[in-house]
Amino acid sequence: DAMVIQNPRYQVTQFGKPVTLSCSQTLNHNVMYWYQQKSSQAPKLLFHYYDKDFNNEADTPDNFQSRRPNTSFCFLDIRSPGLGDAAMYLCATSTGVSYEQYFGPGTRLTVT
Amino acid sequence: KQEVTQIPAALSVPEGENLVLNCSFTDSAIYNLQWFRQDPGKGLTSLLLIQSSQREQTSGRLNASLDKSSGRSTLYIAASQPGDSATYLCAVTLQTGGNEKLTFGTGTRLTIIP
Repeated sequence: DAMVIQNPRYQVTQFGKPVTLSCSQTLNHNVMYWYQQKSSQAPKLLFHYYDKDFNNEADTPDNFQSRRPNTSFCFLDIRSPGLGDAAMYLCATSTGVSYEQYFGPGTRLTVT
Repeated sequence: KQEVTQIPAALSVPEGENLVLNCSFTDSAIYNLQWFRQDPGKGLTSLLLIQSSQREQTSGRLNASLDKSSGRSTLYIAASQPGDSATYLCAVTLQTGGNEKLTFGTGTRLTIIP
């Protein structure tokens, strides 16, 4: 049973064309995270929501934004994708920020 | 700043052998440490979570240990199988008083040779 679902699994967008990635969860967890992972690199936290409280990492570019309309869903918006934004985007959830994180399958973003 | 290191970056072993993957971290003030598995092009699967008060956790053929004082963790895989081939990542949650987050190592790419 899928617990953290990401759609789409593969996304191709054009340089500068806004794109939205989706994450949903059936775990009813309080915290949802977005990570960016480039090839052969460690996942890098972009931001997280604790319930409706948004926490942005200091080095997350302004080009990246997020929305969490309800407990189950969280979206990652990339306003003007550049070639350097091509990566795997991972969504994760947990019951609290210090607790075990559960990851989705990821969305691989290609920018042409 | 917490740094997490995994050495070696890649490891190949024959099927059936026992093996150990290493993880080290610079700041011992951690809440917990997690080991993940990542298959190529896929998301992360949590394998084991060790709380800072624990010394080890076991799940099937996997055993993870934690030595906070020395900033080290190991993942022991017994009787390795080709299906164990994947990248293994460790990550720590640092105690920062309100903005805790996972800091990942860059992983060890494991290949089990049939």
